[in-house]
Amino acid sequence: RKEVEQDPGPFNVPEGATVAFNCTYSNSASQSFFWYRQDCRKEPKLLMSVYSSGNEDGRFTAQLNRASQYISLLIRDSKLSDSATYLCVVVGGSYIPTFGRGTSLIVHP
Amino acid sequence: NAGVTQTPKFQVLKTGQSMTLQCAQDMNHNSMYWYRQDPGMGLRLIYYSASEGTTDKGEVPNGYNVSRLNKREFSLRLESAAPSQTSVYFCASSDPRRGRGDEQFFGPGTRLTVL
Repeated sequence: RKEVEQDPGPFNVPEGATVAFNCTYSNSASQSFFWYRQDCRKEPKLLMSVYSSGNEDGRFTAQLNRASQYISLLIRDSKLSDSATYLCVVVGGSYIPTFGRGTSLIVHP
Repeated sequence: NAGVTQTPKFQVLKTGQSMTLQCAQDMNHNSMYWYRQDPGMGLRLIYYSASEGTTDKGEVPNGYNVSRLNKREFSLRLESAAPSQTSVYFCASSDPRRGRGDEQFFGPGTRLTVL
C-alpha cells in the first residue's frame, strides 16, 4: 500500500461548484499534513496546512481525521483559476515529507 | 529574497553524459531536498539534507549523488545519464522544527531529457 494515496481524477466541475478531495495515509505516527497546489509545468506551492481542529482559508477548508487516517480539502464556489493539481503531503516522525500523486481539478465555465 | 533557485531550467543530455543540477536558497533553511516528478508518479524524493554536512537517501537515489556544499547550496549530480532519468527535477528547502514538519519552498524545476 502506498504511503499517501489520492484519487488522481480529473475532477471536472462547473464554476461555482463545491468539490472535495480526500487523501489517505498509512503511517499512523504521521505528524504534519499539508495541501499543495501545482499549476501545469510549475513548482508546487503550499495551499494550506491541515490541523487536527481543521482550518479554513476563504473558500478552502482542510480537515484531518486521525482515526481513519485521511485528510480532506473542500473548495467552495470554484473559480476557473482553481484549475490545478492538488498534492497531499504527509510528514512522519523523520520530518521527511511524502507526497501523494496529486488530484487534478478542472473548473469549466 | 529569490527563494529557491535552480539551474539550468532545461537540459538535454545523451546517454552516458554527466551533469550537475545546482540549487541554492537564501532563506537560511537547514533542510534541502531533491525530487523528481514523472507523469502520474507525483514527487519522489531522491536525496535530502537535514542540515549542512549531512545527506541521506530518499526513495529513488540510484544513479544520483548529492553534495551539500554549504547551508545555501545543494547540488545533484548524474554521473552517467540514462533515458530513465528523463524527468522534471525540483529542489526544495524547509526549516522543520522539532516535533513538526514545515512548509517546503520549491525551485522552478529543471526539465531534463536524456536521449
